[in-house]
Amino acid sequence: DAGVIQSPRHEVTEMGQEVTLRCKPISGHDYLFWYRQTMMRGLELLIYFNNNVPIDDSGMPEDRFSAKMPNASFSTLKIQPSEPRDSAVYFCASSSPGRRAIYGYTFGSGTRLTVV
Amino acid sequence: GENVEQHPSTLSVQEGDSAVIKCTYSDSASNYFPWYKQELGKRPQLIIDIRSNVGEKKDQRIAVTLNKTAKHFSLHITETQPEDSAVYFCAASSPNSGYSTLTFGKGTMLLVSP
Repeated sequence: DAGVIQSPRHEVTEMGQEVTLRCKPISGHDYLFWYRQTMMRGLELLIYFNNNVPIDDSGMPEDRFSAKMPNASFSTLKIQPSEPRDSAVYFCASSSPGRRAIYGYTFGSGTRLTVV
Repeated sequence: GENVEQHPSTLSVQEGDSAVIKCTYSDSASNYFPWYKQELGKRPQLIIDIRSNVGEKKDQRIAVTLNKTAKHFSLHITETQPEDSAVYFCAASSPNSGYSTLTFGKGTMLLVSP
């Protein structure tokens, strides 16, 4: 398995532009998570899906952020319009919990977003 | 929801020394505690984990201990090597904060000097 695949690896965009980050989870994993990492806040959970359904989006900072999972093998995180404070590394992770326990996540390589 | 505190934020040791990173959690219902290692510019990777029915787990030079009463858990690295230099994150999973979600500590930057 190729692991969790994210694209692009790096994105530089101008303030006000729309940014779309993409993620392909590990086949068979039924949980998908989007995290944002910054020096100040560490790893923050933005939203997670179970079987393609958004379960908790309370971590999404503003209405400018949206996420979708149209099928089991693809998810997007969109920021529109982007702002300089959105600059961070965005990680996607997937997991396949057992019946009464969870397993550690597998993270993608991340997308380093810079908004200028 | 769950809150995870991690200390220290930075740790410098000499090669061959031991390193200990400590975390505390707030939700007594938390039952799963993984540790991740993140090398510079790379993804966090799971290195060891422990469940609430176990007090200690060891994997070669790495061990994790859990004290449920005090609600804290620790990562122990023995005989450190320069390649252990990285940021280490602890995490906790609580059924009360969402099944299968992990709350992460802020991370510890470990620097092992040759």
